[in-house]
Amino acid sequence: DGGITQSPKYLFRKEGQNVTLSCEQNLNHDAMYWYRQDPGQGLRLIYYSQIVNDFQKGDIAEGYSVSREKKESFPLTVTSAQKNPTAFYLCASSYTGELFFGEGSRLTVL
Amino acid sequence: GENVEQHPSTLSVQEGDSAVIKCTYSDSASNYFPWYKQELGKGPQLIIDIRSNVGEKKDQRIAVTLNKTAKHFSLHITETQPEDSAVYFCAARDMNYGGSQGNLIFGKGTKLSVKP
Repeated sequence: DGGITQSPKYLFRKEGQNVTLSCEQNLNHDAMYWYRQDPGQGLRLIYYSQIVNDFQKGDIAEGYSVSREKKESFPLTVTSAQKNPTAFYLCASSYTGELFFGEGSRLTVL
Repeated sequence: GENVEQHPSTLSVQEGDSAVIKCTYSDSASNYFPWYKQELGKGPQLIIDIRSNVGEKKDQRIAVTLNKTAKHFSLHITETQPEDSAVYFCAARDMNYGGSQGNLIFGKGTKLSVKP
């Protein structure tokens, strides 16, 4: 099946630890995105990549990092510099502007 | 940049009634307006979209209308069913942000509850 796979679905982290969220797509889409979702806040863009080996900061990039070494993969690292990392994280890909989302990863900082 | 406002934040209707969710946008250059449905614990899914050269689009019980002059667009769901209960997001494409494809700017969502 074609789609976007995010893992893990649930993740717990202690304060001060970095954590990496995985996002893989087999849709052959060039563009990939990471969004953060908090209750009542909608979807806020963290980072996006329109092509392999290139990515740009979104609206809330501080405390996050990404890489895009392969077309299929766009991992997101939540670093210890992110002050409030507990949230639902969504990865998406796009070919013509229409976004296809993964099922999300819920990160909880203990 | 683009700004999208969505109302109401919560909406409760009886099964069989209609539901309407409204969004306004700020950038007259925006040309693509999708609506996403998000069920609890899942990622959003596109349910319908409209482009700026069209005023209305229907797909079974769902319709979207666009008023470019007033810069607002609306989602209409008729004959609502309990499975329509979810959070709905509107979005507008900001062509000044994100290169040739533009990036979507999302509203804050509407939680729709359909009571049986």
